[in-house]
Amino acid sequence: KAGVTQTPRYLIKTRGQQVTLSCSPISGHRSVSWYQQTPGQGLQFLFEYFSETQRNKGNFPGRFSGRQFSNSRSEMNVSTLELGDSALYLCASSLWQGALGEAFFGQGTRLTVV
Amino acid sequence: GENVEQHPSTLSVQEGDSAVIKCTYSDSASNYFPWYKQELGKGPQLIIDIRSNVGEKKDQRIAVTLNKTAKHFSLHITETQPEDSAVYFCADNTGNQFYFGTGTSLTVIP
Repeated sequence: KAGVTQTPRYLIKTRGQQVTLSCSPISGHRSVSWYQQTPGQGLQFLFEYFSETQRNKGNFPGRFSGRQFSNSRSEMNVSTLELGDSALYLCASSLWQGALGEAFFGQGTRLTVV
Repeated sequence: GENVEQHPSTLSVQEGDSAVIKCTYSDSASNYFPWYKQELGKGPQLIIDIRSNVGEKKDQRIAVTLNKTAKHFSLHITETQPEDSAVYFCADNTGNQFYFGTGTSLTVIP
C-alpha cells in the first residue's frame, strides 16, 4: 500500500511569489491535514480537509489556503511569500476526520523563500 | 504546542539502556495520544499510540503509558539501538486537531 506522497520535495521561491504544494493521501483516506514545521515553532497545524471541505483551521494568515479534490488529493497554496514562510510543509492522511485516530505523514516539501 | 509539554528536549543513552520521554497535556477531553519518530530528512512516522481508555500499550521494545489523572503520558524504549536515534514527538487531540510537543532528540551511543 503506497504511503502519503508529497510533491515537490524541495522548492526555492522569491519573496512575493506564490507556491502550490501537493499531497496524495493513502488510498481510502479522506482526511488530509497540513502542518508547518520550523525549528523555532515546531509542528503547527494549518488546516484539515475531509470530503473536499475544510473542517478545521489553525492560526495562520489568509495567505495560506488549501483545497481537496474528489479523489482526496489536496493542494496547499501560499501567496505573497515571506522569508518566514521557509519551512518543511507536511501533510498527513487519516481515515478519520478531526484527529480521532492514526495519521500518517508524507516526507514533506522543503520550502525556502529567498 | 502550548497544549502539550514534552521533556527532555535532548536525551543521550548508551546502547542497550532504556529511554523515557514524558509529555503532559492540559485538556481533559483529549482522548488520543500518538507518538512519532522523525529521522533526518524524513516526515514523522507513527510508532505507537494510546487511547484514553487504556493505561498502557506495548509493541516490542516500545511502550506508552497514560496517567489520565495527572494528564501525562510517556514513551518508553527498552534495549535501545543506534537506529533508535531520531527526534520523537508526542501529540494530543485537543479540539479536533493534533497539538505536538516540541520534540526530544534521542541519541543512542554505540
